[in-house]
Amino acid sequence: DAGVIQSPRHEVTEMGQEVTLRCKLISGHNSLFWYRQTMMRGLELLIYFNNNVPIDDSGMPEDRFSAKMPNASFSTLKIQPSEPRDSAVYFCASSATLSTGELFFGEGSRLTVL
Amino acid sequence: DAKTTQPPSMDCAEGRAANLPCNHSTISGNEYVYWYRQIHSQGPQYIIHGLKNNETNEMASLIITEDRKSSTLILPHATLRDTAVYYCIVRALNNAGNMLTFGGGTRLMVKP
Repeated sequence: DAGVIQSPRHEVTEMGQEVTLRCKLISGHNSLFWYRQTMMRGLELLIYFNNNVPIDDSGMPEDRFSAKMPNASFSTLKIQPSEPRDSAVYFCASSATLSTGELFFGEGSRLTVL
Repeated sequence: DAKTTQPPSMDCAEGRAANLPCNHSTISGNEYVYWYRQIHSQGPQYIIHGLKNNETNEMASLIITEDRKSSTLILPHATLRDTAVYYCIVRALNNAGNMLTFGGGTRLMVKP
Protein backbone atom coordinates (compact mmCIF):
# COMPACT_ATOMS: atom_id res chain seq x y z
CA ASP A 1 0.00 0.00 0.00
CA ALA A 2 1.27 3.48 -0.84
CA GLY A 3 0.18 4.95 2.46
CA VAL A 4 -1.75 8.17 2.96
CA ILE A 5 -1.27 10.40 -0.05
CA GLN A 6 -1.60 14.16 0.15
CA SER A 7 -1.55 16.77 -2.57
CA PRO A 8 -0.25 19.26 -3.28
CA ARG A 9 2.97 18.91 -1.31
CA HIS A 10 3.59 22.63 -1.56
CA GLU A 11 1.18 25.46 -2.28
CA VAL A 12 1.93 29.15 -2.46
CA THR A 13 -1.03 31.45 -2.93
CA GLU A 14 -2.12 34.99 -2.34
CA MET A 15 -4.40 36.17 0.40
CA GLY A 16 -8.03 35.84 -0.56
CA GLN A 17 -7.57 32.88 -2.86
CA GLU A 18 -9.27 29.55 -2.36
CA VAL A 19 -7.06 26.65 -1.32
CA THR A 20 -8.00 22.98 -1.62
CA LEU A 21 -5.88 20.28 -0.02
CA ARG A 22 -6.47 16.66 -0.89
CA CYS A 23 -5.98 13.38 0.91
CA LYS A 24 -6.30 9.75 -0.12
CA LEU A 25 -6.74 7.32 2.75
CA ILE A 26 -5.12 3.93 3.09
CA SER A 27 -7.41 1.34 1.52
CA GLY A 28 -9.69 -0.21 4.11
CA HIS A 29 -9.25 2.55 6.69
CA ASN A 30 -12.46 4.02 8.07
CA SER A 31 -11.26 7.08 9.98
CA LEU A 32 -9.71 10.26 8.66
CA PHE A 33 -8.04 13.09 10.55
CA TRP A 34 -6.86 16.54 9.47
CA TYR A 35 -4.09 18.18 11.52
CA ARG A 36 -2.30 21.51 11.14
CA GLN A 37 1.25 22.20 12.31
CA THR A 38 2.88 25.54 12.96
CA MET A 39 5.94 26.53 14.95
CA MET A 40 3.84 28.53 17.38
CA ARG A 41 1.02 26.06 18.02
CA GLY A 42 2.52 22.68 17.19
CA LEU A 43 0.25 19.92 15.87
CA GLU A 44 -3.44 20.74 16.15
CA LEU A 45 -6.34 18.43 15.31
CA LEU A 46 -8.77 20.24 13.05
CA ILE A 47 -11.46 17.68 12.28
CA TYR A 48 -11.96 13.95 12.05
CA PHE A 49 -14.34 11.63 10.24
CA ASN A 50 -15.52 8.09 10.75
CA ASN A 51 -17.14 6.19 7.89
CA ASN A 52 -17.31 9.42 5.88
CA VAL A 53 -19.22 11.25 8.65
CA PRO A 54 -17.64 14.22 10.44
CA ILE A 55 -17.43 13.39 14.14
CA ASP A 56 -15.81 16.46 15.64
CA ASP A 57 -14.93 19.70 13.88
CA SER A 58 -14.31 21.75 17.01
CA GLY A 59 -10.69 22.25 16.00
CA MET A 60 -11.56 23.99 12.75
CA PRO A 61 -10.41 27.56 13.30
CA GLU A 62 -13.31 29.36 11.64
CA ASP A 63 -15.92 29.23 8.94
CA ARG A 64 -13.36 29.81 6.25
CA PHE A 65 -12.29 26.21 6.75
CA SER A 66 -14.36 23.27 5.54
CA ALA A 67 -13.65 19.56 5.08
CA LYS A 68 -15.49 16.85 3.22
CA MET A 69 -15.29 13.16 2.49
CA PRO A 70 -17.10 12.62 -0.79
CA ASN A 71 -16.28 8.92 -0.63
CA ALA A 72 -14.63 6.40 1.65
CA SER A 73 -11.13 6.90 0.29
CA PHE A 74 -10.83 10.63 -0.32
CA SER A 75 -11.06 13.88 1.61
CA THR A 76 -10.59 17.57 0.93
CA LEU A 77 -9.80 20.48 3.21
CA LYS A 78 -10.79 23.83 1.77
CA ILE A 79 -9.86 27.31 2.92
CA GLN A 80 -11.83 30.15 1.40
CA PRO A 81 -10.72 32.88 1.52
CA SER A 82 -7.17 32.14 2.63
CA GLU A 83 -5.21 34.45 4.95
CA PRO A 84 -1.49 34.68 5.76
CA ARG A 85 -2.11 33.24 9.23
CA ASP A 86 -3.30 30.01 7.57
CA SER A 87 0.27 29.32 6.49
CA ALA A 88 1.20 25.96 7.98
CA VAL A 89 1.81 22.32 7.18
CA TYR A 90 -1.46 20.44 6.92
CA PHE A 91 -1.36 16.71 7.65
CA CYS A 92 -3.93 14.11 6.84
CA ALA A 93 -3.95 10.81 8.73
CA SER A 94 -6.05 7.68 8.55
CA SER A 95 -6.67 4.75 10.84
CA ALA A 96 -8.36 1.41 10.48
CA THR A 97 -10.95 2.22 13.11
CA LEU A 98 -11.84 5.16 15.28
CA SER A 99 -10.84 3.38 18.47
CA THR A 100 -7.27 2.53 17.50
CA GLY A 101 -4.60 5.05 18.37
CA GLU A 102 -2.39 3.98 15.50
CA LEU A 103 -2.68 6.73 12.94
CA PHE A 104 -0.90 6.74 9.61
CA PHE A 105 0.10 10.22 8.51
CA GLY A 106 0.73 11.57 5.05
CA GLU A 107 3.76 13.65 4.16
CA GLY A 108 1.83 16.88 4.60
CA SER A 109 0.92 19.86 2.44
CA ARG A 110 2.96 22.99 3.12
CA LEU A 111 0.78 26.04 2.56
CA THR A 112 2.14 29.56 2.26
CA VAL A 113 -0.34 32.40 1.97
CA LEU A 114 1.26 35.68 0.92
CA ASP B 1 -7.10 13.08 28.32
CA ALA B 2 -4.22 13.35 30.79
CA LYS B 3 -1.38 15.73 29.99
CA THR B 4 2.21 14.66 29.58
CA THR B 5 5.53 16.28 30.41
CA GLN B 6 8.66 15.60 28.38
CA PRO B 7 12.10 17.21 28.34
CA PRO B 8 12.33 19.57 25.37
CA SER B 9 15.55 18.07 24.05
CA MET B 10 18.04 15.24 24.51
CA ASP B 11 21.25 14.09 22.91
CA CYS B 12 22.37 10.52 22.36
CA ALA B 13 25.51 9.01 20.90
CA GLU B 14 25.08 6.87 17.82
CA GLY B 15 24.93 3.17 18.72
CA ARG B 16 23.96 3.83 22.31
CA ALA B 17 20.54 3.38 23.84
CA ALA B 18 18.28 6.43 23.81
CA ASN B 19 15.99 6.60 26.84
CA LEU B 20 13.23 9.15 26.47
CA PRO B 21 11.20 9.87 29.62
CA CYS B 22 7.61 10.97 29.89
CA ASN B 23 5.67 12.00 32.95
CA HIS B 24 1.91 11.43 33.00
CA SER B 25 1.10 11.63 36.69
CA THR B 26 -2.62 12.28 36.15
CA ILE B 27 -3.18 9.29 33.88
CA SER B 28 -6.47 7.47 34.35
CA GLY B 29 -6.94 3.73 34.55
CA ASN B 30 -8.36 3.46 31.05
CA GLU B 31 -5.75 5.63 29.35
CA TYR B 32 -3.04 4.19 27.16
CA VAL B 33 0.42 5.63 26.60
CA TYR B 34 1.30 6.20 22.94
CA TRP B 35 4.58 7.25 21.39
CA TYR B 36 4.99 8.87 18.00
CA ARG B 37 7.96 10.48 16.34
CA GLN B 38 8.31 13.09 13.64
CA ILE B 39 11.40 13.19 11.50
CA HIS B 40 12.09 16.57 9.93
CA SER B 41 9.76 17.42 7.03
CA GLN B 42 7.76 14.21 7.46
CA GLY B 43 4.45 13.32 9.03
CA PRO B 44 4.34 11.82 12.52
CA GLN B 45 4.99 8.09 12.72
CA TYR B 46 3.47 5.68 15.24
CA ILE B 47 6.07 3.84 17.33
CA ILE B 48 4.43 1.87 20.14
CA HIS B 49 1.75 1.99 22.80
CA GLY B 50 0.90 0.27 26.09
CA LEU B 51 -1.48 0.23 29.01
CA LYS B 52 0.47 -1.12 31.97
CA ASN B 53 2.73 -3.90 30.78
CA ASN B 54 6.05 -3.24 29.12
CA GLU B 55 5.90 -3.51 25.37
CA THR B 56 8.51 -4.17 22.68
CA ASN B 57 8.39 -4.10 18.92
CA GLU B 58 10.87 -3.82 16.10
CA MET B 59 11.29 -0.09 16.65
CA ALA B 60 11.47 0.37 20.40
CA SER B 61 10.60 -0.74 23.90
CA LEU B 62 8.14 0.98 26.22
CA ILE B 63 8.63 0.73 29.96
CA ILE B 64 5.71 1.88 32.10
CA THR B 65 6.16 2.27 35.84
CA GLU B 66 4.00 0.21 38.14
CA ASP B 67 1.99 3.24 39.24
CA ARG B 68 1.69 4.23 35.55
CA LYS B 69 2.63 7.82 36.32
CA SER B 70 5.62 7.78 34.02
CA SER B 71 7.08 5.83 31.14
CA THR B 72 10.29 5.55 29.14
CA LEU B 73 10.69 4.93 25.45
CA ILE B 74 13.90 3.06 24.70
CA LEU B 75 15.61 2.98 21.32
CA PRO B 76 18.17 0.24 22.00
CA HIS B 77 20.77 1.22 19.41
CA ALA B 78 20.15 4.75 18.21
CA THR B 79 21.17 5.68 14.68
CA LEU B 80 21.46 9.05 13.02
CA ARG B 81 18.10 8.36 11.33
CA ASP B 82 16.45 8.31 14.76
CA THR B 83 17.01 12.05 15.08
CA ALA B 84 13.46 13.36 15.42
CA VAL B 85 10.89 14.87 17.76
CA TYR B 86 9.35 12.18 19.97
CA TYR B 87 5.83 12.67 21.29
CA CYS B 88 4.38 10.92 24.32
CA ILE B 89 0.57 10.95 24.35
CA VAL B 90 -1.96 9.49 26.74
CA ARG B 91 -5.34 8.63 25.34
CA ALA B 92 -8.43 6.81 26.45
CA LEU B 93 -10.51 4.52 24.34
CA ASN B 94 -14.07 5.78 24.37
CA ASN B 95 -17.12 5.76 22.22
CA ALA B 96 -16.90 9.45 21.48
CA GLY B 97 -13.89 8.94 19.37
CA ASN B 98 -10.21 9.15 19.29
CA MET B 99 -8.33 12.39 19.47
CA LEU B 100 -4.58 12.22 19.68
CA THR B 101 -3.39 15.46 21.25
CA PHE B 102 0.26 16.20 20.53
CA GLY B 103 2.30 18.24 23.00
CA GLY B 104 5.74 19.73 22.50
CA GLY B 105 7.62 16.44 22.48
CA THR B 106 11.33 15.77 22.98
CA ARG B 107 13.74 16.69 20.25
CA LEU B 108 16.26 13.84 20.15
CA MET B 109 19.56 14.52 18.46
CA VAL B 110 21.63 11.43 17.72
CA LYS B 111 25.27 12.39 17.28
CA PRO B 112 28.06 10.46 15.57
